[in-house]
Amino acid sequence: QITLKESGSTLVKPTQTLTLTCTLSGFSLRSNGVGVGWIRQPPGKALEWLALIYWDDDKRYSPSLQSRLTITKDTSKNQVVLTMSNMDPVDTGTYYCARRGGSSNWFPPTFDSWGQGTLVTVSS
Amino acid sequence: EIVLTQSPGTLSLSPGERATLSCRASQSVSRSYLAWYQQKPGQAPRLLIFDASSRATGIPDRFSGSGSGTDFTLTISRLEAEDFAVYFCQQYARPPLTFGGGTKVEIK
Repeated sequence: QITLKESGSTLVKPTQTLTLTCTLSGFSLRSNGVGVGWIRQPPGKALEWLALIYWDDDKRYSPSLQSRLTITKDTSKNQVVLTMSNMDPVDTGTYYCARRGGSSNWFPPTFDSWGQGTLVTVSS
Repeated sequence: EIVLTQSPGTLSLSPGERATLSCRASQSVSRSYLAWYQQKPGQAPRLLIFDASSRATGIPDRFSGSGSGTDFTLTISRLEAEDFAVYFCQQYARPPLTFGGGTKVEIK
């Protein structure tokens, strides 16, 4: 069974750095073709893609947020980590990690398995 | 970037009725690289349709997708109770991948 689970900071002060971890189960970051992305959703609003990392360490970022984002992977733990610097209240929302799947398109992909999401609040 | 506009914002229908949701792109979506997701309150999105018309694994055949170029449609042939949710479209033809603003399908 494929699962993804987000964990990390849930309350962050403005200007601080957010760190989120996505722990994968049922598939491996070592496997050819695997990609894991981060997508966020402000309360009551639409989804916004943030970043993506592939099994071969290819990394892609949203152009509008690239300067603030870093995505890395730890294959020994089967985890993907996202950091976002200089947090602001507008960054409040639910952050999801998701697995590339569905369409065969390499990049950008579709996402066929998602974590439950973690609510991040940015407030002083 | 490609901007996706979904309409209507809210669709009020009864169980058993047909739902037609629209997703319009600001530029042509090449190879029909357009997907649809369903999201229920408090849950993560679920992939329904990819490549404009291919159903994802386990998705019932009452869900169908169509379209090309800049105009795409998600059709639910006969609404069931579990289909009342928010639906998002996503394009992956050109980076960055982008999502539409969503259509809420609510019980009339």
